[in-house]
Amino acid sequence: SQQGEEDPQALSIQEGENATMNCSYKTSINNLQWYRQNSGRGLVHLILIRSNEREKHSGRLRVTLDTSKKSSSLLITASRAADTASYFCATVSGTYKYIFGTGTRLKVLA
Amino acid sequence: EADIYQTPRYLVIGTGKKITLECSQTMGHDKMYWYQQDPGMELHLIHYSYGVNSTEKGDLSSESTVSRIRTEHFPLTLESARPSHTSQYLCASSGLSGNTIYFGEGSWLTVV
Repeated sequence: SQQGEEDPQALSIQEGENATMNCSYKTSINNLQWYRQNSGRGLVHLILIRSNEREKHSGRLRVTLDTSKKSSSLLITASRAADTASYFCATVSGTYKYIFGTGTRLKVLA
Repeated sequence: EADIYQTPRYLVIGTGKKITLECSQTMGHDKMYWYQQDPGMELHLIHYSYGVNSTEKGDLSSESTVSRIRTEHFPLTLESARPSHTSQYLCASSGLSGNTIYFGEGSWLTVV
């Protein structure tokens, strides 16, 4: 079974609002990464947070990691229509396999 | 921009045909992966490789096979395609352990 479960499965917001999506995982990890996928395309890396970090920022993105709860969240601030995509978390374990979550489909309405 | 390329991008083939999906990367990455993804669904790891002559099956059982004769090349082959193989196949590679994984644009396979 997949390592990560993402919540919500789908999210629809207005342009300018913030979008928050969550990821839960099951086993110990080296790091957790977030990826974006536009419809019909490959995935693109957004941000990586290591297991000893609690929060990380990159532009309009903010990621938190709680290893005690085995969960992470991705916040996109001031969303734009161009942010419409699916967002996946990925965990990397000692075997260096990247296991992806179920994804959150974000729709930003103009 | 990631330097990882997949061909073909789109393919429609008949049941029973043999098909090879090509994947090449120019980043010198040791690790390469194949994921299968149905539209709007999660990614499933079907094959991975840690280097030349190293291949392993992933978490999702697949009737496909892979080879890794050269670092930059990781083709996936279906000996006899079936409609249940209809899906998107994503190739990916990574360098230093646990760092960013780079994806190709995907190969959409339809078996009729």
